[in-house]
Amino acid sequence: GQQVMQIPQYQHVQEGEDFTTYCNSSTTLSNIQWYKQRPGGHPVFLIQLVKSGEVKKQKRLTFQFGEAKKNSSLHITATQTTDVGTYFCAGPNSGGSNYKLTFGKGTLLTVNP
Amino acid sequence: NAGVMQNPRHLVRRRGQEARLRCSPMKGHSHVYWYRQLPEEGLKFMVYLQKENIIDESGMPKERFSAEFPKEGPSILRIQQVVRGDSAAYFCASSPGFGEKLFFGSGTQLSVL
Repeated sequence: GQQVMQIPQYQHVQEGEDFTTYCNSSTTLSNIQWYKQRPGGHPVFLIQLVKSGEVKKQKRLTFQFGEAKKNSSLHITATQTTDVGTYFCAGPNSGGSNYKLTFGKGTLLTVNP
Repeated sequence: NAGVMQNPRHLVRRRGQEARLRCSPMKGHSHVYWYRQLPEEGLKFMVYLQKENIIDESGMPKERFSAEFPKEGPSILRIQQVVRGDSAAYFCASSPGFGEKLFFGSGTQLSVL
């Protein structure tokens, strides 16, 4: 079945350093979504990328969708303690239904102040 | 505008008991989804419901698990004769329409003793 893999599993940075998490799908995706889950919290939608090679920015966060639509990345510039949490990528099931998302295992980001 | 409401927040059950998890979608949302999250894992799709209809239950275990979304009242995820392996965080999400982004509730942490 469809698999979505994320690396690294954990990342610890000093405040002010940059952070990147990578996401790879075993199948081509119609779109990819990113979620953030704070410790003890619930996933919160960050963004959806649809087009091949698409790049979107949200303040210090930059999201990229690969040309082949099988990989994606999230880059945070100059991390802050508020960035702490687990970042998940998720892609729709091979059938394309947006609700049936396959999530990666996430990258847990911790930031040392 | 209240978000997706789930209760209880924490639920402790002994093996063999029943667990009932409730979810009220965001106002105006008629699509409800249940996901399960094991420790240090991504979320796994369980079931997608609309009012009085189960649209897709392909992620639900075949036995002991059931879900409903009645005409009136919250969506219910029911687990009969719970076992230790059922211990997990169960997240409900809703969306205003098919294929639109998901809004997650705070989850129910089920612990089976």
